[in-house]
Amino acid sequence: EAQVTQNPRYLITVTGKKLTVTCSQNMNHEYMSWYRQDPGLGLRQIYYSMNVEVTDKGDVPEGYKVSRKEKRNFPLILESPSPNQTSLYFCASSLRQGSYNEQFFGPGTRLTVL
Amino acid sequence: DAKTTQPTSMDCAEGRAANLPCNHSTISGNEYVYWYRQIHSQGPQYIIHGLKNNETNEMASLIITEDRKSSTLILPHATLRDTAVYYCIVRVANNAGNMLTFGGGTRLMVKP
Repeated sequence: EAQVTQNPRYLITVTGKKLTVTCSQNMNHEYMSWYRQDPGLGLRQIYYSMNVEVTDKGDVPEGYKVSRKEKRNFPLILESPSPNQTSLYFCASSLRQGSYNEQFFGPGTRLTVL
Repeated sequence: DAKTTQPTSMDCAEGRAANLPCNHSTISGNEYVYWYRQIHSQGPQYIIHGLKNNETNEMASLIITEDRKSSTLILPHATLRDTAVYYCIVRVANNAGNMLTFGGGTRLMVKP
C-alpha cells in the first residue's frame, strides 16, 4: 500500500531532550516536506527536500533540523525541544516537479514538550 | 498564491451530493485549483485539482467556471466518513518553495 509513515505517533518529552521523528514513504517520491499544525495558524512548512541531499528551509525552520540521505526517509530532528514546539507534525511527499501540490500526508505526530 | 474564499461550514444529508464552493477571483492564468480535506487530526488528503476544464476522479468532481473565478467540489454521494474540513487552494504547479497554504476551509458535516 502506497503510504507515508511517521513514528512515533504520540510523544511527550521534556525541554532540551533531543528527539527525532521519522518519516518514510514507499512511493519513490522525490519531494518530501515537514509541516506543523497549530490551532488558528493552519499548516506551516518547516523544511522541505526536493531530492536526496537537497533540503531547504520552509516558513518556520528555527529549532529544527532535517536530513535526506535516502530517497524514502526524511527525519525531523529537534536538538533541544522547547514548549513552543508542542504541535501536531505532518510529513508529506509528492512525486516530482510539476506535481508538488499533490502531496501525500502521513498520519501525524502529536508532540508535547513539557 | 491567489486568495480563496470558502463558506465556514456546510451540512449535507448522507447519500446526497455535497457541493462545496470556492471563490478565487484573483486567480492567475497559470494557477491551478487544488482541493484537500482533513478529517479531524488526520493528515490532509489530496482530492483533485484542475486548471480550467472540469475534472472527475474516484473521489470527486471539480467544476471550474469559464472565467475561472470560482469552482465547486462535488462529492456525488456523501457518506458519514466524508465529514471533514475541505480546503480550496490556488497555486502554480511548479512552485519550488512548495509551501501549501491551507486557509480556513469549509467544515462539512454529513448527517444521517
